[in-house]
Amino acid sequence: AQTVTQSQPEMSVQEAETVTLSCTYDTSENNYYLFWYKQPPSRQMILVIRQEAYKQQNATENRFSVNFQKAAKSFSLKISDSQLGDTAMYFCALHNAGGTSYGKLTFGQGTILTVHP
Amino acid sequence: EAEVAQSPRYKITEKSQAVAFWCDPISGHATLYWYRQILGQGPELLVQFQDESVVDDSQLPKDRFSAERLKGVDSTLKIQPAELGDSAMYLCASSKDRRIYEQYFGPGTRLTVT
Repeated sequence: AQTVTQSQPEMSVQEAETVTLSCTYDTSENNYYLFWYKQPPSRQMILVIRQEAYKQQNATENRFSVNFQKAAKSFSLKISDSQLGDTAMYFCALHNAGGTSYGKLTFGQGTILTVHP
Repeated sequence: EAEVAQSPRYKITEKSQAVAFWCDPISGHATLYWYRQILGQGPELLVQFQDESVVDDSQLPKDRFSAERLKGVDSTLKIQPAELGDSAMYLCASSKDRRIYEQYFGPGTRLTVT
């Protein structure tokens, strides 16, 4: 079975500052993908950033970047220059590309991020 | 930009009644997913379709839940009878294929069972 754990139920940050959200995971597969999804209040879930497990280089998408530590099974999200529109619930998710969980997306419990003006 | 459509957006039903949700995935997407998201938690997969076939329904409570995707396009999720514990957000997502990892989510249906 695969698991995803987000240990920070809530985080807050001042506008323009940097914040890091934590995520750890467990899987027996070697081929998998990791994601951060954003779910704004009363709005649909959208993909923020993705990381292929076979790539050593950390993914970056504008103000969003990840710190992928494969051996430690850690996958944190860094948001730079935080904006009010970043306020949302953030979910870390794991997608297995093989094995019995092929095609299944497993989510963490989520972290509520509030950006203050 | 193509989006996943879901209806209704909100549904209030009484315990023991039947309820159904509808999802229309992005055109051309072969894989369709139904998730249940309890307030304050992450989504949990209920059922996954590849075209019209179910490929994973291991977490679907089959005594009361059913799902179909008859023509491999839109899909319906049904609960009969609804129970208080079914109150949740029901999310539909689609992707081009199971191998294509990016899933696109719909706005969800918020179900309240009274």
